[in-house]
Amino acid sequence: RKEVEQDPGPFNVPEGATVAFNCTYSNSASQSFFWYRQDCRKEPKLLMSVYSSGNEDGRFTAQLNRASQYISLLIRDSKLSDSATYLCVVIPNYGGATNKLIFGTGTLLAVQP
Amino acid sequence: ETGVTQSPTHLIKTRGQQVTLRCSSQSGHNTVSWYQQALGQGPQFIFQYYREEENGRGNFPPRFSGLQFPNYSSELNVNALELDDSALYLCASSLGQRSYEQYFGPGTRLTVT
Repeated sequence: RKEVEQDPGPFNVPEGATVAFNCTYSNSASQSFFWYRQDCRKEPKLLMSVYSSGNEDGRFTAQLNRASQYISLLIRDSKLSDSATYLCVVIPNYGGATNKLIFGTGTLLAVQP
Repeated sequence: ETGVTQSPTHLIKTRGQQVTLRCSSQSGHNTVSWYQQALGQGPQFIFQYYREEENGRGNFPPRFSGLQFPNYSSELNVNALELDDSALYLCASSLGQRSYEQYFGPGTRLTVT
């Protein structure tokens, strides 16, 4: 089983739609969670951190459910510029000294005019 | 822009050859992590360098090796290239080996024929 699993999509939505992405992680000891955005042929960029209490940044809302080991990202009022791949990222807490990021395969979002 | 640079941008090599990829970290950052991103996949952690020492390694064979210099720039070396090594290679810099904020460079796209 993969450490971080995401639906690869693609999600094709019209402008203005609300879209939700889900992600599950396998290691219950994982401590930190993020959503990254990656544009075509570009590097990943941090979109937002994810907390149990929820995290909202404008049109974007991220949520963590530790009991279900589930992370979500909600995008409201989708814009054409939101078209990208959204990567779910976990930092495991295996007791090591590194902050290695564990990425899901990413979910492709295509917002249509 | 993150201030993280990588060279070269693109590279084509033949199976069996060796390659060196370079990364300059963001000013003040002493930690560099390397990731491999195959087509359609999320980035996978290769290893991390902190203050010139390897500080954690992912599930990659020994023919993947690295180096970090006193100015914190880094190299990734891959020997005996295989077709499956074709990927986007990303480096990410951070301040400290346990920092959660990592800044990615634009990547080097390696094609092995």
